[in-house]
Amino acid sequence: DTAVSQTPKYLVTQMGNDKSIKCEQNLGHDTMYWYKQDSKKFLKIMFSYNNKELIINETVPNRFSPKSPDKAHLNLHINSLELGDSAVYFCASSQDLGEEQFFGPGTRLTVL
Amino acid sequence: AQSVAQPEDQVNVAEGNPLTVKCTYSVSGNPYLFWYVQYPNRGLQFLLKYITGDNLVKGSYGFEAEFNKSQTSFHLKKPSALVSDSALYFCAVRDINSNYQLIWGAGTKLIIKP
Repeated sequence: DTAVSQTPKYLVTQMGNDKSIKCEQNLGHDTMYWYKQDSKKFLKIMFSYNNKELIINETVPNRFSPKSPDKAHLNLHINSLELGDSAVYFCASSQDLGEEQFFGPGTRLTVL
Repeated sequence: AQSVAQPEDQVNVAEGNPLTVKCTYSVSGNPYLFWYVQYPNRGLQFLLKYITGDNLVKGSYGFEAEFNKSQTSFHLKKPSALVSDSALYFCAVRDINSNYQLIWGAGTKLIIKP
C-alpha cells in the first residue's frame, strides 16, 4: 500500500492552461502539505492543511489553490500556467504540524 | 530569523569509509531537527529526528546524527558508507514561530564511490 500517492506522475502542458494534481494519503494523518522543488532541488513549502484548515500559505501566486475534500486528500489546482511553474511538486503528510513528514513520489510539471 | 545551513553542496566518500553530512541551525527555543534522504526521481524519505534526550540519534539505513547544542549542529553520520547511500540529503528544523513549519536546508549531494 502506497502511503502518500500523487497523480499524475508527469504533466506536460502549454502556457496558459489550467491543471490539477491530486494527492491522497492513507496514513490517517491530520496534516498535508504541498511543496515545490525547483531545478536546483530547493524545497519550498507552498501550502499545508491541518484538519482541513489552511494553516500556511507562503508567498505563492493566487493562481495556485489547494483544495481538500476530506482529511485524506489535498489537491493542487493551478490556473494560467507559466513557464516558471515548471518544477517537481511533492505532496506530504504528517500526524500533526511539525512532525515527521511522509512524501509522495512527486509530479513533474513541464510548462511549454 | 530561523535558518538551516548545509555548508557542502556535495560530499564524496569512498565505499566503506565513514561519512558525515553537515548541518547547522539557528532557531529560538529548543530545536526539533530532522534528516531526510531523496533518491533520484523519488520523494523525500524521513531518516531520523532529534527532539530531546540523547544527543546521538539513530535512524534508518544505519544512519545516525549527533546533536551539538553549543555548536548548533546536527551532523548526519554513518560508520561505513555504501554505494547505495548515494543520494541527496536534507536537514530541516521545526520553526515554532511559523506554525511549526519545517525550514529546509539546501540539500547535500552525497556520492559514494566504489
